[in-house]
Amino acid sequence: EVQLVESGGGLVQPGGSLRLSCAASGFTFSTYAMNWARQAPGKGPEWISHITSSSGTVYYADSVEGRFTISRDNAKNSLYLQMNSLRADDTAVYYCVSPLITTTNRVYWGQGTLVTVSS
Amino acid sequence: EIVMTQSPATLSVSPGERATLSCRASQSITNNLAWYQQRPGQAPRFLIYGASTRATGIPARFSGSGSGTEFTLTISSLQAEDFAVYYCQQYDNWPRTFGQGTKVEIK
Repeated sequence: EVQLVESGGGLVQPGGSLRLSCAASGFTFSTYAMNWARQAPGKGPEWISHITSSSGTVYYADSVEGRFTISRDNAKNSLYLQMNSLRADDTAVYYCVSPLITTTNRVYWGQGTLVTVSS
Repeated sequence: EIVMTQSPATLSVSPGERATLSCRASQSITNNLAWYQQRPGQAPRFLIYGASTRATGIPARFSGSGSGTEFTLTISSLQAEDFAVYYCQQYDNWPRTFGQGTKVEIK
């Protein structure tokens, strides 16, 4: 069974940093690109970052470009999001999101981890 | 950035009736469109990709259509568990973008 489990969220002050992790299981993590998305309270989802299977290519939404860094460790089946210079409008539930997994014909989202940026 | 516009914002439907949700892209995305369902307090649930292909485990009452810039999600006979918010998402270009959502509520 495919599982994505995020961790690392919490309360942080404006200007602070946080590192999110996503533990993946149930599929061959090293062969798939991966994504982070977020959802602010009462809003729709927002895709924020993508990384290819070999980490060779990354993309970011304009809203996080230059402040957030996506990375992965295929040996540990893990995805990361380093978030710096956090702002109040970064407050959201952050999700780890798979691409279409061909063996199951589904896209998977983790349960999410809440990041709150407030003084 | 491709802007995705969904209509209506809210759809009031009785159980057993048909619901038709629309999604428009600001430029052609061929058929690179997905639909998601989100219930309160849950992560989005992947329903449809390629504009019309149901994901594994999605009931046949969910169907998608369209190409280019105009897309439709149809729920043929609404069940209690279908009352939720639905989002379209394009994956033709970076950044990936979502519509603002359509809330399907009980009439």
